[in-house]
Amino acid sequence: KNEVEQSPQNLTAQEGEFITINCSYSVGISALHWLQQHPGGGIVSLFMLSSGKKKHGRLIATINIQEKHSSLHITASHPRDSAVYICAVRGNTDKLIFGTGTRLQVFP
Amino acid sequence: DAGVIQSPRHEVTEMGQEVTLRCKPISGHDYLFWYRQTMMRGLELLIYFNNNVPIDDSGMPEDRFSAKMPNASFSTLKIQPSEPRDSAVYFCASSLQYQPQHFGDGTRLSIL
Repeated sequence: KNEVEQSPQNLTAQEGEFITINCSYSVGISALHWLQQHPGGGIVSLFMLSSGKKKHGRLIATINIQEKHSSLHITASHPRDSAVYICAVRGNTDKLIFGTGTRLQVFP
Repeated sequence: DAGVIQSPRHEVTEMGQEVTLRCKPISGHDYLFWYRQTMMRGLELLIYFNNNVPIDDSGMPEDRFSAKMPNASFSTLKIQPSEPRDSAVYFCASSLQYQPQHFGDGTRLSIL
């Protein structure tokens, strides 16, 4: 079993829909990261969080440490949000452990 | 800020050849990471450095892979001899301690 599990693996949505991507982990962590990888391949860090909730534009990330679970929400989704979203956790070292990613396609 | 710079962007070479991937981290960042991404295994950490010193190389697949960081502004990942199963996208990332990592655009490596 992977230490970081994401669901769903694939997600399609119509423009304007509210989207939720989930991440569960089985190890103790010091921080959780959400990354975005566009079809061109570049990887961008969206959020780093260790508790509570963070918001940036239409993106919201939450984490529940007790339940070892995090969610990434996208409000008013747009075709340019189409990408692979990757959850990664950092334990007590500087290494990140990655989930397998969620491929999101938003159609106009 | 120029971001993390990787070269080359694409590399196609024949099996058995030596391959050298290069990375210039963001100035001032004291952590540098090398990752490999494949369809089967996703993103995997190969090795990371702190202040130019290798800290954890447990992800390096085998002796054919080696990485160096001779100074704070340059790192290399070398594969010798290369094999078709090494085909992947290799990413370099840099960061400050406990801060988000900044990724380069990656090197797409194809070994024929």
